[in-house]
This record gives sequence, structure tokens and C-alpha cells, in this order.
Amino acid sequence: AQSVTQPDIHITVSEGASLELRCNYSYGATPYLFWYVQSPGQGLQLLLKYFSGDTLVQGIKGFEAEFKRSQSSFNLRKPSVHWSDAAEYFCAVAPFSWGKLQFGAGTQVVVTP
Amino acid sequence: DADVTQTPRNRITKTGKRIMLECSQTKGHDRMYWYRQDPGLGLRLIYYSFDVKDINKGEISDGYSVSRQAQAKFSLSLESAIPNQTALYFCATSGSTGQETQYFGPGTRLLVL
Repeated sequence: AQSVTQPDIHITVSEGASLELRCNYSYGATPYLFWYVQSPGQGLQLLLKYFSGDTLVQGIKGFEAEFKRSQSSFNLRKPSVHWSDAAEYFCAVAPFSWGKLQFGAGTQVVVTP
Repeated sequence: DADVTQTPRNRITKTGKRIMLECSQTKGHDRMYWYRQDPGLGLRLIYYSFDVKDINKGEISDGYSVSRQAQAKFSLSLESAIPNQTALYFCATSGSTGQETQYFGPGTRLLVL
């Protein structure tokens, strides 16, 4: 069955430290891949997306993600987190030319001083 | 002004009541979506519409109905609300190519007593 897995439900990171959020998918072919962020009380905002080409994707707010076909992964990274990065992060996938998103369960990120 | 708006933002209702959640967008997108978010489950697709005359069920449509009144408006109804429909509901829109980003509204928090 097609699925999106975010193995980490909750991550605590110190301000200024690096952050990596994991995402694995199970699809017959490489889907379109997305990372969204949901700040408290807000809707979802797109951080970055991958359709094809360069496997290292740059996004907004200093985030990047790397697509690894062999591992069916699309992990999100940030070299140095800020207190404002505290939020819930969702990985999502969409089959080619379909547009219908399937979301992972989300990873809650807490940033400590 | 926000591109995707949802009303109401918060709603408390009783079991058995009919309620409607409304979504409007000013992005000129053809495609609109309704999701619900539950803790630990991420977002799940309820219904989606690729244009005014094209409405489709998502993965969890039971107990819900929708109406696409115009390109810019997409409403979600709970015909007879039940407590397990307590959730955060999001509307989203996107363009028509399948590569388009989905843009989310701020969400409606619904409590069914």
C-alpha cells in the first residue's frame, strides 16, 4: 500500500543546533515530494518541493531537503535552528500528474534556549 | 487579505446537528480540497474538486458532503455531526497542472459535543 512515514513524532533541539527530520515513502514510482510547516494556530505553509532534477532542494526559511531514491527518503534539514522554527512539520507526496497529496503523521519540533 | 479563507474559525456544535464549513479563495485556482487533521494522523483528504462540475471523494468522505458553488467557493457539510468528527479542518487550493503547490487556509477547529 502507498504510504508516507515520518518516524519521529517529536524532536527537541537547542537553538542554534542542526535539525534533520526524516520522511520515507512507499510508492510504485517516485512521486512528487513536499515539506510543509504548520506553526501554532496557523495553516500549512510550503517549505519546499521536489519534482525532478537536482536531488538537493532549497526551500524557504533556510531549509533544504535531499531526495534519495535508493532509500525512498526525502529528509528535511536546517543547519542552525531558530526559536521561530518550533512548529509541526509534515512530509507529503503526490503521484505524478495527480495533485492529490498524502501526508505523513507529522513531526513536532520543540526548540529550547 | 488572505488568499484562502475559512469560516468559521472555531465552532462548537452538538451531536446530530448539521453544520457547514465554508472556504473561499482569491487565487483563481480551479482545484480545491478539504482535509481534516487529527493528532498523530496528519492530514487526510475528505473531498476534492478539480472544477465546479467535478467533485470527488477522498479517503474519508463518509459522513461529509460538499458543494462547489463557484470556482472560488467550496463548502463542507456535516449532515449529522458526531463526536469523532471533532478535528481541525483545512481547505486548500491549487492550480491545474498537478505540479502546483497546494495553498492552505487557516483551518476551522470543530468540536462536536
